[in-house]
Parts: sequence; C-alpha cells; structure tokens
Amino acid sequence: AQKVTQAQTEISVVEKEDVTLDCVYETRDTTYYLFWYKQPPSGELVFLIRRNSFDEQNEISGRYSWNFQKSTSSFNFTITASQVVDSAVYFCALRTFGGSTLGRLYFGRGTQLTVWP
Amino acid sequence: NAGVTQTPKFRVLKTGQSMTLLCAQDMNHEYMYWYRQDPGMGLRLIHYSVGEGTTAKGEVPDGYNVSRLKKQNFLLGLESAAPSQTSVYFCASSSDPRAGYTFGSGTRLTVV
Repeated sequence: AQKVTQAQTEISVVEKEDVTLDCVYETRDTTYYLFWYKQPPSGELVFLIRRNSFDEQNEISGRYSWNFQKSTSSFNFTITASQVVDSAVYFCALRTFGGSTLGRLYFGRGTQLTVWP
Repeated sequence: NAGVTQTPKFRVLKTGQSMTLLCAQDMNHEYMYWYRQDPGMGLRLIHYSVGEGTTAKGEVPDGYNVSRLKKQNFLLGLESAAPSQTSVYFCASSSDPRAGYTFGSGTRLTVV
C-alpha cells in the first residue's frame, strides 16, 4: 500500500527563520515520483517540485531546497529565510505505477505553515 | 492557455438535490482526476480516468458518478447530495503517469 505521512500539522515561524517540512512515504514500488505542492490562502494548488526514485540528489531553487533520502523514505522540504508569502498549506505526494494505481497521486494530509512578520 | 477549468466555483445545494461539476482541460491530457479536500484529510481521490470513455473508482467513490465522453471534459455528478459531501473539489489532469498534475482552481460545495 502507498502512504504519505506529514507528521507536522501546523508550524509557526517568524519571518527570516528557516523551516523544514517533513514528509515520509511508504511504497513497495521501486519506481515512483515524489512531489510537493503549495496551497496558499487563495486555495489553488501550485506545483513546486517532482523527484523520481532514482535521483537522490538534493535540489535547491532559490530559498527552497529538498532533501530526498531513500534510506529513510523521506523527502523533506526546507524554506530558508522564510517570508510571510510562504504562509500556506504544503502537501507532499507520492506517485507510483504498480498494480492498479495507474499513476495516481497519494497525498499527505498537509502541513499548515504560518510565517509571522 | 486556460489549463484546467472547473465550473462552478461555488455552489450551495439542499440535501437530496443533484448537480454536476464540470472539469475541462485544453492540454490534450489523457489522465484526469477528481479529488475532494476536507480539513485535516488532505486530498482524497474520488474517481479518475485514463482516457476518453474510461473511468475508474478512487478511494472515496460512494455517492458520486463520473463520465468522460470527450477527452477534454471530466464530469462529476452527485445524484442525491448529502451534508457529508460538503467539501472543496479539485479536478486535475496529466499527460502521462510520470508527470505532475495540473489542478483546477477548485469548487467549493456546501450541502445544507
């Protein structure tokens, strides 16, 4: 069975602090993709990153960075020098292809990040 | 380039009423999905389609039906709405199983 766990329901930080959002996944598939999406207060879902199971290189995009570790089945997301505009719900998701899953996305329950000025 | 368009954006239904949510995409994507989002539950898959004329059940299909008569449209129907179906509904599409989703802006449905 596929599962994504985001243990942090809510996180509050003050602007300019660094913050890490945790994501742990479960799958028996050897080929899979991991995603992060952002949902700002306006409600839309914004794609942030996709990582495949064969690429464990960390990724950095501006103030955002992602740490993928297959050994611990984790795909954590760090925001450096957080800003008020980073306040949103962040979802981690897993996409697998085995059996009847047909490439569907499995979402974690999300982490509400609030950045205070 | 509109991407994925959902209509309506908001709707209030009375218990027992029926309605159809429309999802339209202009990217020629094969795969389309309907999710519902409830507080603290993340997004849960209702139904999905891997191509025109095909549909399949997700993890929470009860009370919903879908149709994909045209490749660009994926309709979600509620035959007899219940308060438990109060939720935000998201449609998504993708070009293949490895690609990320493009999401619509959501439909906020309240059943009273």
